[in-house]
Amino acid sequence: GAVVSQHPSRVICKSGTSVKIECRSLDFQATTMFWYRQFPKQSLMLMATSNEGSKATYEQGVEKDKFLINHASLTLSTLTVTSAHPEDSSFYICSARWQGLEQYFGPGTRLTVT
Amino acid sequence: RKEVEQDPGPFNVPEGATVAFNCTYSNSASQSFFWYRQDCRKEPKLLMSVYSSGNEDGRFTAQLNRASQYISLLIRDSKLSDSATYLCVVNMEGYQKVTFGTGTKLQVIP
Repeated sequence: GAVVSQHPSRVICKSGTSVKIECRSLDFQATTMFWYRQFPKQSLMLMATSNEGSKATYEQGVEKDKFLINHASLTLSTLTVTSAHPEDSSFYICSARWQGLEQYFGPGTRLTVT
Repeated sequence: RKEVEQDPGPFNVPEGATVAFNCTYSNSASQSFFWYRQDCRKEPKLLMSVYSSGNEDGRFTAQLNRASQYISLLIRDSKLSDSATYLCVVNMEGYQKVTFGTGTKLQVIP
């Protein structure tokens, strides 16, 4: 199957700082990338949909100025959590769509804001 | 009503047992369906797509019932390694995004 990498896998930052998470499709060009967040014992929640070269589409309730998404190429999308707060601590997962509608997920980034 | 609903479980079954999960969806225009598997603190991984005619992959069988708006996953001869959360995923044709169910947790017991 398709391979998606995510970096970093784990990050701890102080409240008020910004954190950038990278998502790369390693062996294919992704037409669309998605960013999800998952809190403990909860379902994946879609945050935004990202197409290369265009602005991301954010889900209702997700602040676009707080969660900055850049999809610079067909193999790279980045999510920047700006001015992070403890309530932003979560598991952030990206996915990439290759052929069809199946999504292939990165290994996730566990963010802890202290 | 949620767009995609699953029984959260947990389903505790002995090794070798057959277990089935259902997932209901609310939008009759939904076109594509998938089952993903997620291990604890890991990312979801595609288990199988669900076709209208049903499909089988080894011990796993997926079925779609459009009339009643649900999909099912059957696991035969359960292995300890099948212990995971199984996520139902639904997509409406023409929409880029998919909707995930909250998942059904399976625990296979020795």
